[in-house]
Amino acid sequence: AQTVTQSQPEMSVQEAETVTLSCTYDTSESDYYLFWYKQPPSRQMILVIRQEAYKQQNATENRFSVNFQKAAKSFSLKISDSQLGDAAMYFCAPSYGKLTFGQGTILTVHP
Amino acid sequence: NAGVTQTPKFQVLKTGQSMTLQCAQDMNHEYMSWYRQDPGMGLRLIHYSVGAGITDQGEVPNGYNVSRSTTEDFPLRLLSAAPSQTSVYFCASSYSGLGVYGYTFGSGTRLTVV
Repeated sequence: AQTVTQSQPEMSVQEAETVTLSCTYDTSESDYYLFWYKQPPSRQMILVIRQEAYKQQNATENRFSVNFQKAAKSFSLKISDSQLGDAAMYFCAPSYGKLTFGQGTILTVHP
Repeated sequence: NAGVTQTPKFQVLKTGQSMTLQCAQDMNHEYMSWYRQDPGMGLRLIHYSVGAGITDQGEVPNGYNVSRSTTEDFPLRLLSAAPSQTSVYFCASSYSGLGVYGYTFGSGTRLTVV
């Protein structure tokens, strides 16, 4: 079974500060994609950022960036200049032909 | 608006009843899938389809059936509802299983089995 581990059940950050959410995964596949999804209380799943495993360059989307370490099978999400609207559950989700989810990290943003 | 449409949004069933959760997408995505989300857990894959006429089991398929007669629709059938099937169900679609351009999710169905 291909596993995804998010070791931080909960994280908190002050508004305008930076926070990093960690994720490790286990796969023998060579071609895959990695995603971070955000789920606010509305329960809608929102794509935050995606990374192609064959690309060494880390993906960035505005205030969101990843640190992708393929050999270590690590895929962390950094949120800079945190905003109150960033408060949500965040899921790490690799795709090897099927999307597989970690258990999620609840992010709280304090004003 | 283009996207994934799930119906109903809420449903209460009695143990032993059957029902179908509907999922439709208008993006011409070949890949469609169903997940369930339980409290404190991530989403778990129930069934998926890589194209019309092709379906396969995911991680937790027991008690559920699917079919894919068209590209647009991917209904999930609960054969005989059990309290253990109380959950939030999500449908997701993508151009391919790898999700090259990401996956689009429906808004979810909250199902309670009493």
